[in-house]
Amino acid sequence: GAVVSQHPSRVICKSGTSVKIECRSLDFQATTMFWYRQFPKQSLMLMATSNEGSKATYEQGVEKDKFLINHASLTLSTLTVTSAHPEDSSFYICSASTSGVGTQYFGPGTRLLVL
Amino acid sequence: GQQVMQIPQYQHVQEGEDFTTYCNSSTTLSNIQWYKQRPGGHPVFLIQLVKSGEVKKQKRLTFQFGEAKKNSSLHITATQTTDVGTYFCAGRSNYQLIWGAGTKLIIKP
Repeated sequence: GAVVSQHPSRVICKSGTSVKIECRSLDFQATTMFWYRQFPKQSLMLMATSNEGSKATYEQGVEKDKFLINHASLTLSTLTVTSAHPEDSSFYICSASTSGVGTQYFGPGTRLLVL
Repeated sequence: GQQVMQIPQYQHVQEGEDFTTYCNSSTTLSNIQWYKQRPGGHPVFLIQLVKSGEVKKQKRLTFQFGEAKKNSSLHITATQTTDVGTYFCAGRSNYQLIWGAGTKLIIKP
C-alpha cells in the first residue's frame, strides 16, 4: 500500500515552454502533498505544501507564479513549471500524506531537462 | 531559521563495519523521520520517531531520538552492499518538515 506515482518520469522541453508534472496517490487519499526539488548529490528542497482544495503554501524563495501547484482532488496534485529555463532543470519529487504531519510517501520523481 | 544539521556528509566503510549518521536540530522537534535514497532512486521512508528518548530497531538498523527531541541518530551494524545510499533525516517542527543534507554511505571495494 501507500503508492505514489509521478508522471512523466522524464521530460525534455525547450526553454520558454511550460511543463506539467502529475503526482497521484494510488491507494490512499492524500490530504497533503509536498513538492520537492533535488539537485544532483544534494538534499531534497521543499518547494511547497499543498492541501486538497486550498492554495499551496510555498517555501521562501520559491516563485509561486513560476511553479503553479494545483491539488484538485485527494489523489492528484500537479506542478506546472511555467516558462521553463535551463536553470529549472532538476529532479522534482512529490510526496503524499494523509495529514500534514504524518508519514510521507514519495513518488519516484520526475527528471526535467530544459534545453 | 530552523535547521537540521546532518553529519557526516559522506562515510566510507568496509563491508561489515558499522555506520552511523547524526542529525541535530536548532529547535525542538515534534518528530523525526528517516529516509533512504538509493543511488538513482527516490527517497524511501524508513521510520518515524516521536517520543523523547525513543529507540527503534529494524534488523541491523537502530534509530534513536534524543531526550530533548533535538537530535537523532541512525546506526547500521555490519554494513552490507545493499545498505549503500544516502540517508536523510527530516525533522518536524511547527508543521514544517526540515530536511538534513543527508549522509552518503559508501562501501569500500
